[in-house]
Parts: sequence; structure tokens; C-alpha cells
Amino acid sequence: GDSVTQMEGPVTLSEEAFLTINCTYTATGYPSLFWYVQYPGEGLQLLLKATKADDKGSNKGFEATYRKETTSFHLEKGSVQVSDSAVYFCALGTASKLTFGTGTRLQVTL
Amino acid sequence: DVKVTQSSRYLVKRTGEKVFLECVQDMDHENMFWYRQDPGLGLRLIYFSYDVKMKEKGDIPEGYSVSREKKERFSLILESASTNQTSMYLCASSARLTGNTEAFFGQGTRLTVV
Repeated sequence: GDSVTQMEGPVTLSEEAFLTINCTYTATGYPSLFWYVQYPGEGLQLLLKATKADDKGSNKGFEATYRKETTSFHLEKGSVQVSDSAVYFCALGTASKLTFGTGTRLQVTL
Repeated sequence: DVKVTQSSRYLVKRTGEKVFLECVQDMDHENMFWYRQDPGLGLRLIYFSYDVKMKEKGDIPEGYSVSREKKERFSLILESASTNQTSMYLCASSARLTGNTEAFFGQGTRLTVV
């Protein structure tokens, strides 16, 4: 079945550091890929998405590229801020549902 | 602003009680979903609905049922609450059931069963 694997957290970074959160997937067909973010005390919200191979999704300085050959969708940001502290979920979308990874907690310190 | 609203942020219920979690969306979306979120397990789909009075089981439907009498409202029912149903419950909606459609989430209900 469909599955998403994310790197274990928590990830702790200093402000202005470079961020990478790894995500790989297993799916039949041609899924869409998403990153959702959950800030403390809130529900999930869409951060970015890519619907086909080689697409790059970007938002708020974050970006991720849909790599079909490596079945990956790694999240990157060049310079993180304290306000980026949250839990990040990678997800894949097929015809009928979203499948989520386990989430990666990011803690950014001054 | 688009909105998915869950009726409670926090609930404490006793073992064996029947529990109702309510969710309302104001976006006229066809599809609604209930997930539970547990540390180390991410989000797991309990049930979803693609139309009024229609429902489909997700990955972990045991111990739960759902009701969708109106398009904007999707209720999750715990028939007889148990301690292993202590969790964060998230409702979501989307315009279409296809995989490239964004899902909008409510703020979550943290349920504790004692």
C-alpha cells in the first residue's frame, strides 16, 4: 500500500541555519505530494505541494522538489526562523485519500 | 477565510460513554475526513465521506462510526469510549476526492478517556 517515511525528529537548529527534512514515499500510480505544517495548538495547514515529477513546490521560503527517480520530496529552507518551529508532515495524495508521514518536529532557537 | 470548525478543543469522557465529535465546514466541500493523531504514528484516517449520507472506512474504523446528514457537518461517534481512544482528533474537508486537492483542517479536539 501507499506509505510515507519521514526522518525522525526532533530537529533542533539555530536561527538562520539551513533546514532539510527528508521524505520518501511508496505509491502505485502517480501521486501528488504535499508538505503540511502544524503550529503549536493548531490544526494542519498546507505549506506546499507538487503534482507531478520534477515539479517544485515553494512557499514562505520553503521548497521541495518531486523526485520520481528517488521517490523523494525533501523539504528545504535556506534560513530558518524561530517562527518556523512546528511539526512538519509529508503526505501523498492518490485518487481517494491522503497518506501522511509520522511528522517531524522542528525547534528553532535564537 | 475558509473554515473547518470542531466543536470542542478539549474533552474528558469516561470509559463506556458514547462520545460525539462535531465538525462543520463553510466551504461547500464535498469531502470530509476524520483522522486521529498520535505521537510517532502521524495521522491515521478513521472515516471519510464524499457526499451527504455516504461514508467510507479509512484505515482504523474499529470502535468508531460517523454521520453526515448535511453537507457541511460530519460527526464522529465513539460508540463506547475506551482509554485507547485517548488521542487528538482532526477533521478535514476538501473540494474533490482527487489526490492533488488541498485538505483544510480544523484545530483538533484532544479527547481524554478516563
